[in-house]
Amino acid sequence: GAVVSQHPSWVICKSGTSVKIECRSLDFQATTMFWYRQFPKQSLMLMATSNEGSKATYEQGVEKDKFLINHASLTLSTLTVTSAHPEDSSFYICSASRLAGYYEQYFGPGTRLTVT
Amino acid sequence: AQSVTQPDIHITVSEGASLELRCNYSYGATPYLFWYVQSPGQGLQLLLKYFSGDTLVQGIKGFEAEFKRSQSSFNLRKPSVHWSDAAEYFCAVVGDDKIIFGKGTRLHILP
Repeated sequence: GAVVSQHPSWVICKSGTSVKIECRSLDFQATTMFWYRQFPKQSLMLMATSNEGSKATYEQGVEKDKFLINHASLTLSTLTVTSAHPEDSSFYICSASRLAGYYEQYFGPGTRLTVT
Repeated sequence: AQSVTQPDIHITVSEGASLELRCNYSYGATPYLFWYVQSPGQGLQLLLKYFSGDTLVQGIKGFEAEFKRSQSSFNLRKPSVHWSDAAEYFCAVVGDDKIIFGKGTRLHILP
């Protein structure tokens, strides 16, 4: 149980275009979903926290207009990278939790984004 | 603000040998502490966590970790590693409603 999927697993897009990444909790309802970014050989950095039906809370330094997060249902959250640039290339990971807070997170397998 | 340090970027051990991965944190109070494992193509999986109580925590896959307040450490241990333990391991700290991950330790297993 407690499976989280991400789609796509990898994507290549051209500079200036937008790309959407989906995060789904497959067998449970997620009160909270988190989006992380992981640079090569670096740790995960929390980008934002989203709760179903409300606006996402972004971490300091994360551009909310560039990284649009929608948590439309208890099983789906999406991250849209708008007007992507090569520096947005990274590994994006989502996690989902039945509870508020970080204490019970189930992570998706991640999405590799390459912007050319 | 809290911080997490995993001093070892890579560790190599022989299959069957014991393992200890180090994690040091900085935080004013007792934080919540986690160890996760990340395998290629798979999401991070929680190995164990410490919130309070017994400072020796048992986790899945035969792992354990010990919280030592005096050393600000939460080291992960396993008495005998298996080839399937080869992966990236992350220590994480939650404090002041923030989560911070360490940079990870890549574990290599020699046959």
